[in-house]
Amino acid sequence: GAGVSQTPSNKVTEKGKYVELRCDPISGHTALYWYRQSLGQGPEFLIYFQGTGAADDSGLPNDRFFAVRPEGSVSTLKIQRTERGDSAVYLCASSPRGGASTDTQYFGPGTRLTVL
Amino acid sequence: AQKVTQAQTEISVVEKEDVTLDCVYETRDTTYYLFWYKQPPSGELVFLIRRNSFDEQNEISGRYSWNFQKSTSSFNFTITASQVVDSAVYFCALRGPSTSYGKLTFGQGTILTVHP
Repeated sequence: GAGVSQTPSNKVTEKGKYVELRCDPISGHTALYWYRQSLGQGPEFLIYFQGTGAADDSGLPNDRFFAVRPEGSVSTLKIQRTERGDSAVYLCASSPRGGASTDTQYFGPGTRLTVL
Repeated sequence: AQKVTQAQTEISVVEKEDVTLDCVYETRDTTYYLFWYKQPPSGELVFLIRRNSFDEQNEISGRYSWNFQKSTSSFNFTITASQVVDSAVYFCALRGPSTSYGKLTFGQGTILTVHP
């Protein structure tokens, strides 16, 4: 079946602009995760949704970052007033149940965000 | 707090050599899960293995094997008879109940290059 998809694959924007990144999870997966990966680093957790609600948003770096999942499927990560330091690959993952010890997260190809 | 350390930043081998990637972790959870992911040049993280903390049996899957030692908090990954297609960045990750089995904590990754 189809894996996690993310759009766009690349996004170039100017400092101060607003961007939205979209994630389509694997069909039927209830949990969805956002991570950020800077060059040469491992992915860093941003936020985790269980259904429509954010179960853990402790990784969001500041109030410029916001994510939604209104119908419990597709999620959008929104970044306001982008800064050059926001440049990174934003990864989305989904898992069948979330919050379960045996759950495994499956990742999408990522969106490469470049802030000029 | 949870932490994963992959001390080897880069490893270079010649095809058919065996190679071991090290992973050391820290967690206050008594039950937890460890993971290995592969990130090929295409960028998508590919799940390789999940191992729970109460099962210390080594696991083998084809040319891949994993050695989990709770006494030393290590979960090392060995590729036997390496191939050029094994070239990728490999990440070790940890998840446990202290973060509601939500977020994965990743190491910095090890870049593996297999030369023909």
